[in-house]
Amino acid sequence: SAVISQKPSRDICQRGTSLTIQCQVDSQVTMMFWYRQQPGQSLTLIATANQGSEATYESGFVIDKFPISRPNLTFSTLTVSNMSPEDSSIYLCSVEGTGSYEQYFGPGTRLTVT
Amino acid sequence: TQLLEQSPQFLSIQEGENLTVYCNSSSVFSSLQWYRQEPGEGPVLLVTVVTGGEVKKLKRLTFQFGDARKDSSLHITAAQPGDTGLYLCAGVGGADGLTFGKGTHLIIQP
Repeated sequence: SAVISQKPSRDICQRGTSLTIQCQVDSQVTMMFWYRQQPGQSLTLIATANQGSEATYESGFVIDKFPISRPNLTFSTLTVSNMSPEDSSIYLCSVEGTGSYEQYFGPGTRLTVT
Repeated sequence: TQLLEQSPQFLSIQEGENLTVYCNSSSVFSSLQWYRQEPGEGPVLLVTVVTGGEVKKLKRLTFQFGDARKDSSLHITAAQPGDTGLYLCAGVGGADGLTFGKGTHLIIQP
């Protein structure tokens, strides 16, 4: 199993600012995933990040709002841009396990936008 | 869009009691996963069920996949405070890839 760390673990940000979340994996992986977990809602996939190519975004998410970097096989960042209170959520990165679609998640970043 | 409905949304019981939580859909999934998430942590995979009617046991936890592969249940025997957490089911299949339910918040009181 992969060990995943995220920074920061939590943050409180002002409306209109941006926050970059870092995700580090202890092994090389092809794909990394970014999810959003809003209160009372299911986990929603934001995008899939492959090293060496642009991230693939799910419906409802755009690169201008959630730019993603994937500079190498163990690291990725997600930026939440021009934040509003609606962006308050837990943001999780994950990698795929050995089984089909099985996910190993990081501990998450709890973001509050005021 | 495939949807997974989990019930109950919240459940609080005493230590030692048994409980069952459900994960239902109108869609067929090729497999279904169960995760547990504790406060301040990411979800942790507990089990994957693949075959219709399949039953898997993980100590005091019993997972069942419906015969039609549209639903699943998680039964916990003699619940303990360490079982407290958010239980998420996730279905694999179709164009949506992996679809998560909203989860069941479980509290086991000592």
